[in-house]
Amino acid sequence: AQSVTQLDSHVSVSEGTPVLLRCNYSSSYSPSLFWYVQHPNKGLQLLLKYTSAATLVKGINGFEAEFKKSETSFHLTKPSAHMSDAAEYFCVVSDLSGANNLFFGTGTRLTVIP
Amino acid sequence: DGGITQSPKYLFRKEGQNVTLSCEQNLNHDAMYWYRQDPGQGLRLIYYSQIVNDFQKGDIAEGYSVSREKKESFPLTVTSAQKNPTAFYLCASSTAPGQGFGYTFGSGTRLTVV
Repeated sequence: AQSVTQLDSHVSVSEGTPVLLRCNYSSSYSPSLFWYVQHPNKGLQLLLKYTSAATLVKGINGFEAEFKKSETSFHLTKPSAHMSDAAEYFCVVSDLSGANNLFFGTGTRLTVIP
Repeated sequence: DGGITQSPKYLFRKEGQNVTLSCEQNLNHDAMYWYRQDPGQGLRLIYYSQIVNDFQKGDIAEGYSVSREKKESFPLTVTSAQKNPTAFYLCASSTAPGQGFGYTFGSGTRLTVV
């Protein structure tokens, strides 16, 4: 079975400081992993994706994530937070085994303090 | 520009009424999905469709119905049988069934029962 656990429901950082949003996954298959961002009352936008290529994945807006199989983790990081980064972030796993194949974490709300 | 359009953005329903949420895409995607989002619970799959005139139940299909008469359209009806319909509803499409990436999300419909 596939699942993801987002370890923090809320993260608060000061503008200009690093961001770390944690995600652990469980998958019966070699997983594909994604991070999506959602701004208030908006749809989801893909930040980055891991699909068994390089373990360090770079995404949009300066975000990146590292796939660590030994730790079953896929944490999202950014060196310096910007006010516009304040949003909800979802870690997602896919097993590519069928159409019903995206499994969402419960989300982490990121607050950026000026 | 290609994308997914959900309408209306906000919808109010009286108890006992059926309401239909619209989802239209011009991306030429085969697969379409409906998700329900509640605070702190991430996204849960209601229904999905891999091809015209075919659709499958997701994890929380009870109280909902869908149709897929055209490739571009995948409307969701929230029936009076849905006990707690107040939520944020997101429609998505993807390039092909079984692909873990290439999902495009609409901007959502917020349904409130009054």
